Amino acid sequence: GQGVEQPDNLMSVEGTFARVNCTYSTSGFNGLSWYQQREGHAPVFLSYVVLDGLKDSGHFSTFLSRSNGYSYLLLTELQIKDSASYLCVRNNYAQGLTFGLGTRVSVFP
Amino acid sequence: EAGVTQSPRYAVLQEGQAVSFWCDPISGHDTLYWYQQPRDQGPQLLVYFRDEAVIDNSQLPSDRFSAVRPKGTNSTLKIQSAKQGDTATYLCASSFWDRGDTEVFFGKGTRLTVV
Repeated sequence: GQGVEQPDNLMSVEGTFARVNCTYSTSGFNGLSWYQQREGHAPVFLSYVVLDGLKDSGHFSTFLSRSNGYSYLLLTELQIKDSASYLCVRNNYAQGLTFGLGTRVSVFP
Repeated sequence: EAGVTQSPRYAVLQEGQAVSFWCDPISGHDTLYWYQQPRDQGPQLLVYFRDEAVIDNSQLPSDRFSAVRPKGTNSTLKIQSAKQGDTATYLCASSFWDRGDTEVFFGKGTRLTVV
C-alpha cells in the first residue's frame, strides 16, 4: 500500500511473541489502525492508536511513534490460531484509509 | 446487529462481460467504502461515500468502473467490460464518519474471477 510499509512475512513459535512493524507516511496523519485478516475472510478491526506510546490491549498491544512514522503490533502468548495476515492502516480524513499489503504471521508448534 | 452484507459472494466472468456488486452497510453508518483486494495484497480503496456523496473516487478506473449510493444506504459497484486484471475480492465496508474511521466494518466480500 502506498505510504504504508510492513514486512511480507513473520514466523514465530506458539507461546512466544511476534512483533509486526509498520512505517507510514506522516503527511495528513490522523491515526493508525490494525486489522487481522484470515485467509478467505474480511479484515477484522483490532486496534486504533492516535497518541504516542504503547496501548496494551492484552493479547494484542500497539505502539505508535508519530514523529518517526512508526507503529508496531505486538502479539503475546501466541496461539496457532493467531496465524493470519495483519494489516497496518493509516487514517487520513481526506484520503480515507490506506492499507499496507499485510504481514503474514505464521505460528508454529 | 446485522453486519455489512454483500452479494454475490462469487462471480466468474469472461473478459468483456459486465458485473454488478451490491452492498448493504450496517444500519446508521453514513460512510461506505469499496475496496479491491487482489490475492496476497492488502485492500486498495476504490471509492468511498459519505451519505450519497462521493468523497474520493480517484482510484476508481472511471472508464470501466462506476459506483453509486443514491439514497445514502445501499450501494452498487459495477464493472463494465471486465479484464483479467480485475480478478480480486471486492470488499464493502462501513463506518460512522464522525468517529474518524477509527473502526471500519467489512462485509465478507465478492470474489471475482475474470477468465
